Amino acid sequence: EAGVTQFPSHSVIEKGQTVTLRCDPISGHDNLYWYRRVMGKEIKFLLHFVKESKQDESGMPNNRFLAERTGGTYSTLKVQPAELEDSGVYFCASSQARGFNRELFFGEGSRLTVL
Amino acid sequence: EDQVTQSPEALRLQEGESSSLNCSYTVSGLRGLFWYRQDPGKGPEFLFTLYSAGEEKEKERLKATLTKKESFLHITAPKPEDSATYLCAVQYLGGGADGLTFGKGTHLIIQP
Repeated sequence: EAGVTQFPSHSVIEKGQTVTLRCDPISGHDNLYWYRRVMGKEIKFLLHFVKESKQDESGMPNNRFLAERTGGTYSTLKVQPAELEDSGVYFCASSQARGFNRELFFGEGSRLTVL
Repeated sequence: EDQVTQSPEALRLQEGESSSLNCSYTVSGLRGLFWYRQDPGKGPEFLFTLYSAGEEKEKERLKATLTKKESFLHITAPKPEDSATYLCAVQYLGGGADGLTFGKGTHLIIQP
């Protein structure tokens, strides 16, 4: 069974440009999460989808970040325009159940470098 | 103020040398405490969930315990393949519907 896949694995862009990260969750997982790790900091929650609906987007830094989940399958996270402080590793995770069952399956991450 | 603090930041052990990693938390209304392992260039891999003080869980050479303010990840007779960053995370009332709050992790190196 395929795990959570993320694309691209690494992206280098100039400040002011746009980048779109993609996440394909494990098939059948309704819950999809985005997290981010900025260098030297802890992994931080960005948002949570249940199927195609945003359940919690309290961690999104600002309105330069837009997340979508088309048809409840894959998800994209767009950063427009990118700023230097957006550099970091963006992780996607998925899970089948909610609530107290928190076995999240993480992808390998998309490393974003903004120059 | 950090809500989840892990110590030490880094730990180097000899193969077979047992030790413990600490995760302390300051949140109220804990719903669950989670341990993950992360290898370089990979995403976090789930290890354990603990829900209440006094609970313990084991997996191979790892044992996780939980008190009201901290959790320990005990590593018994570690092997080089146990080298990784170990992450602690909590879910708590008021912490967002389903978001996990992570610590910065402990980077563990087991030398042969």
